[in-house]
Amino acid sequence: QKEVEQNSGPLSVPEGAIASLNCTYSDRGSQSFFWYRQYSGKSPELIMSIYSNGDKEDGRFTAQLNKASQYVSLLIRDSQPSDSATYLCAVKWGDSNYQLIWGAGTKLIIKP
Amino acid sequence: SQTIHQWPATLVQPVGSPLSLECTVEGTSNPNLYWYRQAAGRGLQLLFYSVGIGQISSEVPQNLSASRPQDRQFILSSKKLLLSDSGFYLCAWSKGSTDTQYFGPGTRLTVL
Repeated sequence: QKEVEQNSGPLSVPEGAIASLNCTYSDRGSQSFFWYRQYSGKSPELIMSIYSNGDKEDGRFTAQLNKASQYVSLLIRDSQPSDSATYLCAVKWGDSNYQLIWGAGTKLIIKP
Repeated sequence: SQTIHQWPATLVQPVGSPLSLECTVEGTSNPNLYWYRQAAGRGLQLLFYSVGIGQISSEVPQNLSASRPQDRQFILSSKKLLLSDSGFYLCAWSKGSTDTQYFGPGTRLTVL
């Protein structure tokens, strides 16, 4: 069964601290991984994609991928109240040309 | 740059009434197009995807249907709405050679 799992939260982090969001997936053949941010009542917006093992950094965001352990994480440094949102993890399954499998999301709250 | 439009933004419909939601993409050609539904507090459920005009794949059996009459137009329809059809409907696009999906602003549908 195709599964992408995230802790639903809420995850509460003090302003200025590092927020760490995790995602696990069940298909060892998956090659593409995505993090999206969704503000309440809005549509998801892409934060980062990652395809290779290791870290990928973009500003305050770092995505980490470990295919052997089948997890992908997102770190947010210097967390700001504006980072408060639900973060969705999406995985392209190995046998799929176009479809992404989505986690249910982790709600992140940054406390001032 | 590419832009994706959806309308209407919100819709309140009685049970048994028809539905038509429209999505258009600008600034690209031959996009892959997707319809998702997101129930309150839940992840994204893929309903339909299309790789070209007239080519529709359905992921979930339901009373909804989709059509793609033009390259950059995707329509979600129903002949008779159910209470369970309430949710946040999202249209997304991706370029055929890449996996990254980009979302429109969404339509919030309430069936009463």
